[in-house]
Amino acid sequence: GQQLNQSPQSMFIQEGEDVSMNCTSSSIFNTWLWYKQDPGEGPVLLIALYKAGELTSNGRLTAQFGITRKDSFLNISASIPSDVGIYFCAGQGIQGAQKLVFGQGTRLTINP
Amino acid sequence: GAGVSQSPSNKVTEKGKDVELRCDPISGHTALYWYRQSLGQGLEFLIYFQGNSAPDKSGLPSDRFSAERTGGSVSTLTIQRTQQEDSAVYLCASRTAIGAEAFFGQGTRLTVV
Repeated sequence: GQQLNQSPQSMFIQEGEDVSMNCTSSSIFNTWLWYKQDPGEGPVLLIALYKAGELTSNGRLTAQFGITRKDSFLNISASIPSDVGIYFCAGQGIQGAQKLVFGQGTRLTINP
Repeated sequence: GAGVSQSPSNKVTEKGKDVELRCDPISGHTALYWYRQSLGQGLEFLIYFQGNSAPDKSGLPSDRFSAERTGGSVSTLTIQRTQQEDSAVYLCASRTAIGAEAFFGQGTRLTVV
């Protein structure tokens, strides 16, 4: 089945640093989504990408849909303490009714 | 409410008992997912409902797991004869028929003792 490889698995950074994480797949996706999960909560949608090459920002967050349609990255600029959490990428395959496939997650820890 | 609602939020059960977890999706959302998340782990796909189509049950780990979606709205995930390895957070998400953006509930934390 389709699988997403998300990296890195964890990050330990200083407050104010920029963060970059990515997801890759052996399959083509027509949609990429990025979620953040806080402890004890369900994942919350951050950014949705629908076109190859698309670059979308949401405040300090920027995500891109790779040209090959097999990868996506998420950048966070000038990290702040509330950015701590687990970030998941998710992709939907080329047939619209297919289920969402999730990456393994990137756990972000910020040292003040 | 406007979001996906799951109940109960926490459930402690004895090994061997059956449990039912409920998900109320966002009104009008025709697609509904169940995922399982073990402590510190990613999201494990369980089952997917889309409109009137046959559900995608390919993620159900054993025949002790089943799910229904009545009237195209509320969904119930049933785990029979629970085992300790079933302990996890069970997450439900819903989306419209067209968009891929899925919205999650808070989850049900299941503990089997």
